Amino acid sequence: AQSVTQPDIHITVSEGASLELRCNYSYGATPYLFWYVQSPGQGLQLLLKYFSGDTLVQGIKGFEAEFKRSQSSFNLRKPSVHWSDAAEYFCAVGPYSGGGADGLTFGKGTHLIIQP
Amino acid sequence: GAVVSQHPSWVICKSGTSVKIECRSLDFQATTMFWYRQFPKQSLMLMATSNEGSKATYEQGVEKDKFLINHASLTLSTLTVTSAHPEDSSFYICSARDYGLMNTEAFFGQGTRLTVV
Repeated sequence: AQSVTQPDIHITVSEGASLELRCNYSYGATPYLFWYVQSPGQGLQLLLKYFSGDTLVQGIKGFEAEFKRSQSSFNLRKPSVHWSDAAEYFCAVGPYSGGGADGLTFGKGTHLIIQP
Repeated sequence: GAVVSQHPSWVICKSGTSVKIECRSLDFQATTMFWYRQFPKQSLMLMATSNEGSKATYEQGVEKDKFLINHASLTLSTLTVTSAHPEDSSFYICSARDYGLMNTEAFFGQGTRLTVV
């Protein structure tokens, strides 16, 4: 069965500092990987996704993630965080079906706190 | 990106009543839609996969008689929580994928906050 592990429940970062959120997955086939952000009481916003090709993926809001098959990881990074980045971040993996990803398995999320 | 709309955004209902949540793909056709549930401060859990014109596929542990899913058209899926109880209070989110496009993700609705009192 597929699974996603986000080992850090909470992370506190100073504004302007760099950020890395960890994500490890377990999946029996080629994974389709995603990072989503969720503000309190809101839905999900897709930050970036990896289907194939270049393992370094650029997303919105200055985020990037690197797929490392040997480590089964898909860590999210940002060189300089802003106070507006404070939110819950979810890593997800999905199966390939009909040319894209279907129902997703989510990690438990990482709560990002930004210190002024 | 494609737009998925959920309605209502929030709903409060009395214990024992039923409540229906709609999920619409506004600018594309979605053969398949997905329903997730999120408890406070927890992750999203896939509840079921909704297929247009056929029965939904439920994940293990999800009661199909309690969570009725209907996907009558290519742009609309509904989730009905029957005989709701306080433990059904949760955030319900749907997603839908445009199967006409390759290498695309499913797009999420904005979610529905259900509170059962």
